[in-house]
Amino acid sequence: GAGVSQSPSNKVTEKGKDVELRCDPISGHTALYWYRQRLGQGLEFLIYFQGNSAPDKSGLPSDRFSAERTGESVSTLTIQRTQQEDSAVYLCASSSDTGEQYFGPGTRLTVT
Amino acid sequence: AQSVTQPDIHITVSEGASLELRCNYSYGATPYLFWYVQSPGQGLQLLLKYFSGDTLVQGIKGFEAEFKRSQSSFNLRKPSVHWSDAAEYFCAVANTGGFKTIFGAGTRLFVKA
Repeated sequence: GAGVSQSPSNKVTEKGKDVELRCDPISGHTALYWYRQRLGQGLEFLIYFQGNSAPDKSGLPSDRFSAERTGESVSTLTIQRTQQEDSAVYLCASSSDTGEQYFGPGTRLTVT
Repeated sequence: AQSVTQPDIHITVSEGASLELRCNYSYGATPYLFWYVQSPGQGLQLLLKYFSGDTLVQGIKGFEAEFKRSQSSFNLRKPSVHWSDAAEYFCAVANTGGFKTIFGAGTRLFVKA
């Protein structure tokens, strides 16, 4: 079936604007993850959703970041009042109960 | 708290030579361990994983890794490197159940002819 998809692939926004990033996981995957990858760096865990459990938000860097997930489908990561340090690639992944994560292509966010 | 250390920021090996990428983790129980590869312009792909059982696991593209509990290590190996293996490699540890996953900073592999 189809893999994880993310939109938009690229987003350029002005400092102070809000942005929404979308992730469509693999159908049937119960877990969904968001990561941030700054240029030349590793993956920074942001948040994950698992079934109907409360999401683990422990990686969100500030209250400007939030995420929602509708059931076991689409998720939206929202960044309010964007700052230049938010510029990064935002990666989404999903997994079944095996824990093996399948990654989307990412959204490259540039804050000017 | 979980943590992952990849001591080598980058490694250069000759094509055909053997490879070992180091990974040390910190976790209170038996972790779930993973190696992912990120090739230039491509997404992250799982190479192999360890959940339990045999401590030597085989993955795709000829890679293997060995879980050593006494050393808290999960090093990635390949007997003969190909130029197409040049990429960024990430070690990751997840809690039991495999959900919250922490990634290492990555090791960039360069392959010289």
